[in-house]
Amino acid sequence: DGGITQSPKYLFRKEGQNVTLSCEQNLNHDAMYWYRQDPGQGLRLIYYSQIVNDFQKGDIAEGYSVSREKKESFPLTVTSAQKNPTAFYLCASSILDRRHGYTFGSGTRLTVV
Amino acid sequence: KNEVEQSPQNLTAQEGEFITINCSYSVGISALHWLQQHPGGGIVSLFMLSSGKKKHGRLIATINIQEKHSSLHITASHPRDSAVYICAVGKGSNYKLTFGKGTLLTVNP
Repeated sequence: DGGITQSPKYLFRKEGQNVTLSCEQNLNHDAMYWYRQDPGQGLRLIYYSQIVNDFQKGDIAEGYSVSREKKESFPLTVTSAQKNPTAFYLCASSILDRRHGYTFGSGTRLTVV
Repeated sequence: KNEVEQSPQNLTAQEGEFITINCSYSVGISALHWLQQHPGGGIVSLFMLSSGKKKHGRLIATINIQEKHSSLHITASHPRDSAVYICAVGKGSNYKLTFGKGTLLTVNP
């Protein structure tokens, strides 16, 4: 079945370390997105990409980096510059036809220890 | 003021009750989405609306573009409906979504 795979589900990181969250989709979707979710807040957009080798900053991109070398993969790196990285991270994808919706992954919960 | 406001924030119901969750938005949109998030965190897309009404099983979603308001209804609620329900709006051509904070629904047996 087609879908989005995020790994790992839980991740612990020491302060000062970079960490990369994986997001893979086999839906042949053009666009991919990374969102951050904090308690009591709506999801906020970190980065998005509508085509291979191109991506755009979202509302809270500082301290994060992404790459889009393949259509099916959109990894997110949380760098040591991110001041408050503990959060739940969700990846999503969509095709660019507005008649269709979004598909979300199951998320990665990152905890800085 | 947030662009997307949901009410109520929390909702507790007895099994079998009819449930309504509301979403108001303040900007012009291309589409409105209703999403469901279970305790494990994964999100499932329930509906995408740009006008009128959609029905899927016991779930009904309506939207009033003039009033900038949408409702999600659940008929004959069941404990397995317990989840966070999230409203999100898309605008423009870049397909970015703006999310509400969610409504936590608990259905007791």
